[in-house]
Amino acid sequence: RKEVEQDPGPFNVPEGATVAFNCTYSNSASQSFFWYRQDCRKEPKLLMSVYSSGNEDGRFTAQLNRASQYISLLIRDSKLSDSATYLCVVRAGAGGFKTIFGAGTRLFVKA
Amino acid sequence: EPEVTQTPSHQVTQMGQEVILRCVPISNHLYFYWYRQILGQKVEFLVSFYNNEISEKSEIFDDQFSVERPDGSNFTLKIRSTKLEDSAMYFCATRGQGDQPQHFGDGTRLSIL
Repeated sequence: RKEVEQDPGPFNVPEGATVAFNCTYSNSASQSFFWYRQDCRKEPKLLMSVYSSGNEDGRFTAQLNRASQYISLLIRDSKLSDSATYLCVVRAGAGGFKTIFGAGTRLFVKA
Repeated sequence: EPEVTQTPSHQVTQMGQEVILRCVPISNHLYFYWYRQILGQKVEFLVSFYNNEISEKSEIFDDQFSVERPDGSNFTLKIRSTKLEDSAMYFCATRGQGDQPQHFGDGTRLSIL
């Protein structure tokens, strides 16, 4: 089983749609969880941290289920500018030094 | 907003040569990381560095690689004898204490000929 697994997509959605991405991780000792977005040939940019209680930032909502080792990201009212690759990131190891990236889910938002 | 700065933006080197990639962390950050991303592939963890020593490294980070923070500001990744397969984007990331997320530099594109 991959350490961090994501559906690669691509997800093709119209503007205004709601889209959800899922991510599973294999290390039950993982401590911190994040969603990043990456545009083509650019660096990953932090979208949001993921907390056990779930958290929201504008149109974005992240959920964490530690029992199922599952993380999700919901994007509401999709914009053209949301088109990117969304990376699930998990930090584990003593002190949280080891960071594993999922391979990413590609999103295309069309007019 | 503070940024992680990486230099050079693009490095072209002959196979077998040594390269040094540089990163200036955000000023109050204490944890430093290097990643690589081969074109079209996922971001891969190389190494983490804290308190002037390596705290974790991946299988990719073999004896050809080394990191140091020689002057308290720059954080460097050295590849001793480059191979064709070292061609990739190399990202530096830094973070503060606790559950703080990592912030990435905009990368160095390394091309080995």
